[in-house]
Amino acid sequence: DSGVTQTPKHLITATGQRVTLRCSPRSGDLSVYWYQQSLDQGLQFLIQYYNGEERAKGNILERFSAQQFPDLHSELNLSSLELGDSALYFCASSVALTAYGYTFGSGTRLTVV
Amino acid sequence: DQQVKQNSPSLSVQEGRISILNCDYTNSMFDYFLWYKKYPAEGPTFLISISSIKDKNEDGRFTVFLNKSAKHLSLHIVPSQPGDSAVYFCAASAQSGANNLFFGTGTRLTVIP
Repeated sequence: DSGVTQTPKHLITATGQRVTLRCSPRSGDLSVYWYQQSLDQGLQFLIQYYNGEERAKGNILERFSAQQFPDLHSELNLSSLELGDSALYFCASSVALTAYGYTFGSGTRLTVV
Repeated sequence: DQQVKQNSPSLSVQEGRISILNCDYTNSMFDYFLWYKKYPAEGPTFLISISSIKDKNEDGRFTVFLNKSAKHLSLHIVPSQPGDSAVYFCAASAQSGANNLFFGTGTRLTVIP
């Protein structure tokens, strides 16, 4: 157990639907990062939050949004889902702003049918 | 545009021999490099890192070598053990820039007993 908790582990939904993925960071970690791993691809950075504020944005589609709540958990919202959104979505957390010391959760596997 | 590349999708090695995993990058602003190991149904776990001010970093059986002029790094595992069988991701960051990591597509290492 890495200390980063992601729910749900698996999600199957239809095209056009909206889903919410949840991440609870490791205790004490203020930064939360979201990554997407499509089939045979590396992990692609989506977005970072630090202590409730958005700090960096990567290749995140406009249909996707995220937020970090006062208790530091984060949610990634994916809407108007397309088949190509099927992927593993990983959350990671770290104490500081920088890329040192990432701890990843075990991911949410999203399947869009 | 894949800024971090792992050109070997898979590698098989006999137990006890050396495993060498390779990674190339294109962005000269990268100054911190990491290797992550991933087992099925788990998130990536940090293995070893190296700063661009060094050309070698060692941790037990794992050594990472960095060749900045060639924009190349490699991970050596000696001796390889069956428990090392996993997918290995190379990642890079530019500390002076965004706080996210750029990942390669991974190399699946199989250590044959």
